[in-house]
Amino acid sequence: DGGITQSPKYLFRKEGQNVTLSCEQNLNHDAMYWYRQDPGQGLRLIYYSQIVNDFQKGDIAEGYSVSREKKESFPLTVTSAQKNPTAFYLCASSVAAVYQETQYFGPGTRLLVL
Amino acid sequence: AQKITQTQPGMFVQEKEAVTLDCTYDTSDPSYGLFWYKQPSSGEMIFLIYQGSYDQQNATEGRYSLNFQKARKSANLVISASQLGDSAMYFCAMRGSLGNEKLTFGTGTRLTIIP
Repeated sequence: DGGITQSPKYLFRKEGQNVTLSCEQNLNHDAMYWYRQDPGQGLRLIYYSQIVNDFQKGDIAEGYSVSREKKESFPLTVTSAQKNPTAFYLCASSVAAVYQETQYFGPGTRLLVL
Repeated sequence: AQKITQTQPGMFVQEKEAVTLDCTYDTSDPSYGLFWYKQPSSGEMIFLIYQGSYDQQNATEGRYSLNFQKARKSANLVISASQLGDSAMYFCAMRGSLGNEKLTFGTGTRLTIIP
C-alpha cells in the first residue's frame, strides 16, 4: 500500500537534546512538508521541500532543521533552540507544490518534553 | 496573505441529519485550491474534498459536498446523512499561487454526532 509513515508515534525529549522525527513516503511525490499542531489549533508550516536537495522555511522554522537527501525521506530535527517543542508533528506530501495538488498526511508524532 | 476563518468551534448534530460546516477565506491570488480535512481523535489528517477556484461546479465526494460561493469567498462543507463515525475535528484549508502554495489552515470545527 502506498502511503506516508512517521516514526516514532511518541517521542520524549530532555532539555537541551536534539531529536529527529522520521517521515517516509512511497507515493513517488516530489513535494514534502512538516507541520506543527498545538492543542486546539490548526496546522502551521515548519519546512517544505519541492524537490530532492532543496527545502524552504515555512512560517515557524526557528529551532528546527530538515534534510532531503532522498525523494522518499524528509526527516525533521527539533533542536535545543526550540524552546517550546511539545506539540503534534505531521508530515505530508503532494505530487508537486502547486495549488491544485492535494497534500496527504502521515499519522503524526507526538513530542513531549521531560 | 492568505487567511481561512472557521467560526464554529463546535457543533452537535443528530445522527442521520445533514450538517454544514462554515469556511470563509481571503486571498488575492487569481488561482487557488480549497480543501477540507477530517481529523479524528487518532490525530491523522484525512483528505475529504477539493475545490479549485476555476471549477464551475461544486465538488462532491460521496456524502461530502462543497458549497463554493466564489463571490462571497466561502467554501462550506456539507455532510449528508451524518454518521457516528463523522465525529471529529474538521479543517478547512487553502493553497494559493504566485508564491502562496503553502497550505493555510483554519482553526477547525469539532463536530459531534449524537445517536
